[in-house]
Amino acid sequence: QSVLTQPPSASETPGQRVTISCSGSSSNIENNYVYWYQQLPGTAPKLLIFRINQRPSGVPDRFSGTKSGASASLAISGLRSEDEADYYCAAWDDTLSDYVFGTGTKVTVL
Amino acid sequence: EVQLVESGGGLVQPGGSLRLSCAASGFTFSSYAMSWVRQAPGTGLEWVSGISGRGSSTYYPDSVKGRFTISRDNSKNTLYLQMNSLRAEDTAVYYCAKDYGSGSPYYFDYWGQGILVTVSS
Repeated sequence: QSVLTQPPSASETPGQRVTISCSGSSSNIENNYVYWYQQLPGTAPKLLIFRINQRPSGVPDRFSGTKSGASASLAISGLRSEDEADYYCAAWDDTLSDYVFGTGTKVTVL
Repeated sequence: EVQLVESGGGLVQPGGSLRLSCAASGFTFSSYAMSWVRQAPGTGLEWVSGISGRGSSTYYPDSVKGRFTISRDNSKNTLYLQMNSLRAEDTAVYYCAKDYGSGSPYYFDYWGQGILVTVSS
């Protein structure tokens, strides 16, 4: 059972904005960096956002991350069909001494 | 170009053992920590072990502690995961992942393609 909770699914039409939440606690999100990974169907995960809101080279600025207290969010603006994927938040948990992933959110482009 | 290629997966009986390998290239292997992350069929990601760049520190979640051992051979640019006392719930695709840092797990900027491990009689 993951300590980071995400909605199982989210959907929106092309060109719109979708936001995915990630709820944690003081032992993980509130006092540590948050990361987001994208997993396209049938492929390995890929780093999408690091240190809350930084994008690796090659990740479009349509993807953005924020954090407030023990929760974080990933926003995808100008949604495209190629954004259909599973998205996972992650953080280090100080109590568990584990690297924990969120439960994952499947994004569907309608 | 960073490349991570896993090998050693397959079918193993409950209680059995298996060793996964991950051949790394395209970066200075010994400068970076590495981890293994798994994904059971139809489920999410689970981090299962990490090792510092020099190999002096290892990290495990309780779910695998005492059964899995992560190690590395920096002379061969290879990461290993020795899995003992395997259970049906260890069935998953196992990914090798390069860490951004050199110590405790930080974040994973490159991933291998994954290798399937099936534990079944």
